[in-house]
Amino acid sequence: DTAVSQTPKYLVTQMGNDKSIKCEQNLGHDTMYWYKQDSKKFLKIMFSYNNKELIINETVPNRFSPKSPDKAHLNLHINSLELGDSAVYFCASSPQGQGYNSPLHFGNGTRLTVT
Amino acid sequence: DQQVKQNSPSLSVQEGRISILNCDYTNSMFDYFLWYKKYPAEGPTFLISISSIKDKNEDGRFTVFLNKSAKHLSLHIVPSQPGDSAVYFCAASTTNSGTYKYIFGTGTRLKVLA
Repeated sequence: DTAVSQTPKYLVTQMGNDKSIKCEQNLGHDTMYWYKQDSKKFLKIMFSYNNKELIINETVPNRFSPKSPDKAHLNLHINSLELGDSAVYFCASSPQGQGYNSPLHFGNGTRLTVT
Repeated sequence: DQQVKQNSPSLSVQEGRISILNCDYTNSMFDYFLWYKKYPAEGPTFLISISSIKDKNEDGRFTVFLNKSAKHLSLHIVPSQPGDSAVYFCAASTTNSGTYKYIFGTGTRLKVLA
């Protein structure tokens, strides 16, 4: 059973298009994240939601809009895609929000290529 | 401003020997540290963690050491096995920030030679 699953695994699209990446976790965690791994392999946090509430927004362009319909899902919608958006996007979850730290559980990533 | 740094992009070790991966951080508010392992085309998987109240945590072949005064942590793998070949990321967070933000280093690619 996949704990954190994201779709699609690969996404190739042209500049200017709008695309979405979906993420679901079946771990019962309260907090979900989106991370971006760029060409320099730097894993950088973009957003975090705790119980459907946005708690971290790391100065990401507003072309990126996360949506959390419930605490098991966190989708990422990207408008007007640019070449610089090409990266691997990782969804993650953790049981934060319960007063303690614990590891993140990552999905397998979505490789986005903008041409 | 990179608060978590892994200065060695790669490391090669002979099978059976010790692998030592290093990580430095700048933010003295960090109090929880983790190591992740990543294979190609997969997400990072959690390996081991350590709280700032400890200076060592051990799990099987993996040991993490924390030196708070030097703001340095290291991961020791003994003995190294070919299946340990992967990219290793260290990460840090602040427990009481309320934001649950994990900051990652840029990773060290470990190659264990058979």
